[in-house]
Amino acid sequence: QVQLVQSGAEVKKPGSSVKVSCKASGGTFSSYVISWVRQAPGQGLEWMGSILPVIGTPNYAQKFQGRVTITADTSTNTASMEMRGLRSDDTAVFYCARESPPGGELRQWGQGTLVTVSS
Amino acid sequence: QSALTQPASVSGSPGQSITISCAGTSSDVGAYDYVSWYQQHPGTAPILIIYDVTGRPSGVSNRFSGSKSGNTAFLIISGLQAEDEATYFCNSYTASGTQLFGGGTILTVL
Repeated sequence: QVQLVQSGAEVKKPGSSVKVSCKASGGTFSSYVISWVRQAPGQGLEWMGSILPVIGTPNYAQKFQGRVTITADTSTNTASMEMRGLRSDDTAVFYCARESPPGGELRQWGQGTLVTVSS
Repeated sequence: QSALTQPASVSGSPGQSITISCAGTSSDVGAYDYVSWYQQHPGTAPILIIYDVTGRPSGVSNRFSGSKSGNTAFLIISGLQAEDEATYFCNSYTASGTQLFGGGTILTVL
């Protein structure tokens, strides 16, 4: 069974960047797609993008294109999501999750990482 | 892309059945049988309860079921229990190769 463990909570200043990591154990990391999902306080889920580590080319939701970079390191079984130009409304919990083919349902989720953007 | 459309809230009494709708377009819900549903309790990560419109992961109660008609998907919960009180999100694969969530529906068990 795949387990995903994310990095800890962060507090960032507006305009700065944050990088959240997601370490996988179990399964073959390079062969399954990792997605990133954002959830602002009291709000819904937003799919941000995904990556298949063996290929390494990410796929982004239009809303996050250009401000978010998703990467994967097969040597450490870790996926990462970096967001730049943080604003107060980026305060959210960020989740990584494993997709299952062919439909892409998100079967395993990380515990979530709270990123707070505040001056 | 706009989020899939779900009712903001639904409610039901214990033992009753409820249905949550998820309206999309011919480019997402209507295009593929790749609709999934997630249950989220406060302060916890979402859990997959339905995939591929009607599939149910191992360990998920058979009181949860899914269906689809045209561009709208449905989550049906039968025999409502207090523990079902949570927020439910639908999700669909899209023609652009991305995923799209619904806005979420808060279920209250009266």
